[in-house]
Amino acid sequence: DVKVTQSSRYLVKRTGEKVFLECVQDMDHENMFWYRQDPGLGLRLIYFSYDVKMKEKGDIPEGYSVSREKKERFSLILESASTNQTSMYLCASRDGQRYQPQHFGDGTRLSIL
Amino acid sequence: AQKVTQAQTEISVVEKEDVTLDCVYETRDTTYYLFWYKQPPSGELVFLIRRNSFDEQNEISGRYSWNFQKSTSSFNFTITASQVVDSAVYFCALLGSGSARQLTFGSGTQLTVLP
Repeated sequence: DVKVTQSSRYLVKRTGEKVFLECVQDMDHENMFWYRQDPGLGLRLIYFSYDVKMKEKGDIPEGYSVSREKKERFSLILESASTNQTSMYLCASRDGQRYQPQHFGDGTRLSIL
Repeated sequence: AQKVTQAQTEISVVEKEDVTLDCVYETRDTTYYLFWYKQPPSGELVFLIRRNSFDEQNEISGRYSWNFQKSTSSFNFTITASQVVDSAVYFCALLGSGSARQLTFGSGTQLTVLP
């Protein structure tokens, strides 16, 4: 079974802090994704990566950046956290075929105070 | 642009009732894929099914069944004889082949099955 592990289930940070959310997958998948989930809005794609050191913006990249230095690890960075970034963040991975299902982590519930 | 609409925000049923979750999609692509995911309270989205646009055959897996109708752009999900463990948020998602090459999710339906 694919395992996608997010480093924290719950995280509380302060406005203006730099925040790192980490995600690791164990199936050698090429593609990794970061979503945020908000009530009534479903999941929205922030960034994705199709290879090491490669990244592409999703639908809502503003205020975020990402890093993929190793194939198994994909980090989401909030450069200067703001209260409107309080949300549930979900990481996913998928193999090279675009139509294959994505495998998700348990999510990180991030609160920015 | 592609869009997925799950008009039912919340549904509550009593155990053993049948329940149908609606999903309506919009896309200009002729080739596309539709997915259903389940998100239990633990938070992890669990993949349930994938359908491509050329396969309109309905599918049944145990108590779950899916009805794909291109004529109405719908991909509805029915749970027969619901159980408390079915309580979760269910997401429908669309993967197109054109400019929007990543998953587009609906807003989700919260299903609560009462004992």
